[in-house]
Amino acid sequence: EAGVVQSPRYKIIEKKQPVAFWCNPISGHNTLYWYRQNLGQGPELLIRYENEEAVDDSQLPKDRFSAERLKGVDSTLKIQPAELGDSAVYLCASSLLAGGRGEQFFGPGTRLTVL
Amino acid sequence: QQQVKQSPQSLIVQKGGISIINCAYENTAFDYFPWYQQFPGKGPALLIAIRPDVSEKKEGRFTISFNKSAKQFSLHIMDSQPGDSATYFCAASRSSNTGKLIFGQGTTLQVKP
Repeated sequence: EAGVVQSPRYKIIEKKQPVAFWCNPISGHNTLYWYRQNLGQGPELLIRYENEEAVDDSQLPKDRFSAERLKGVDSTLKIQPAELGDSAVYLCASSLLAGGRGEQFFGPGTRLTVL
Repeated sequence: QQQVKQSPQSLIVQKGGISIINCAYENTAFDYFPWYQQFPGKGPALLIAIRPDVSEKKEGRFTISFNKSAKQFSLHIMDSQPGDSATYFCAASRSSNTGKLIFGQGTTLQVKP
């Protein structure tokens, strides 16, 4: 069974440029999470989806970050414009059970470097 | 109150030794405490988890000890192996807050052959 797929794996951009990350969760997993992991820190939740509905986006910096999961399967996280402080690893995770229950399976992440 | 504090930041253990990582939390509403293992370039993977109705859970060489009154829990890795070298994160969540994991800062474990 394929795990959570993320692309690209690495991205280097200049500040003020836009960037997008893509995630395909494990087949059948209706709950999808985006986390940000700063260097030497644990992941921090940015947004959680139940199918196509964002049910927890309280930690998402909405002035520059946006996310979508139009058909309730894959998802895109966008930053526009990027700032130096956005350099981090962006992790996508999915879980089988609704309501945030059940094990969260993480993808390998996208390492973003903003110059 | 949302924090989970993890220590030590780094740990070096000889092969065959016991690795111990500690976490403390403040929010008494937390009722799910997983430990994740992360290798370089990979996402975190669930290692073992515990709920507060038990004081200990063992899976192979990995054991979680849970002290509800002290609001602390720890991961013990018995007979540590070089392949255990990774970063370990504790986390906590509330069932009523539907899966929002609050992670500790991580512990980098190195097991020397």
